[in-house]
Amino acid sequence: GNSVTQMEGPVTLSEEAFLTINCTYTATGYPSLFWYVQYPGEGLQLLLKATKADDKGSNKGFEATYRKETTSFHLEKGSVQVSDSAVYFCALKRGSGSARQLTFGSGTQLTVLP
Amino acid sequence: DAGITQSPRHKVTETGTPVTLRCHQTENHRYMYWYRQDPGHGLRLIHYSYGVKDTDKGEVSDGYSVSRSKTEDFLLTLESATSSQTSVYFCAISEEAYGYTFGSGTRLTVV
Repeated sequence: GNSVTQMEGPVTLSEEAFLTINCTYTATGYPSLFWYVQYPGEGLQLLLKATKADDKGSNKGFEATYRKETTSFHLEKGSVQVSDSAVYFCALKRGSGSARQLTFGSGTQLTVLP
Repeated sequence: DAGITQSPRHKVTETGTPVTLRCHQTENHRYMYWYRQDPGHGLRLIHYSYGVKDTDKGEVSDGYSVSRSKTEDFLLTLESATSSQTSVYFCAISEEAYGYTFGSGTRLTVV
């Protein structure tokens, strides 16, 4: 079946540090890949997505590249801010029609210190 | 906002009692989902719906039932709540676009 594995947290960084959160997946065929972010007390929000191999998703300074050869979709940001403190979820979607479901990783808590 | 609301936002209930959580959307999206979020597990799919009266089970459906009698409402029912169902429950909606829109969640505590 489909599965997503994220690096375990929590991750604590100083402001302006470089961020990488690793994500690898297992799926048949060509899933779409996503990163979602959850701020305290809120639901998940779509951060970025990629729908085919070698696509790069980007938003708010975050980037992730869909690497089919390594089945990975690592999240990166060159300079984090305190406001980036949140939980980040990697997810994949396989199927269409009634089978369109997201499978999530376990989430990575990021804390950015001033 | 995306037009998805969950109610209640918080609930404390006793073991063995029935509980119903409501998800309401104003987006006329076809697909609706119920997830639960637990530490170390991320989000796990409980049930989903692909149209009025069309529902199917997710990976953790035991102890839960759902109903969708109108496009805008998707109800999740715990027939007899147990402590293992203490969790944060999220509803999500989607249409042909790839991404989902999530509600703000319902924090359920079963004592």
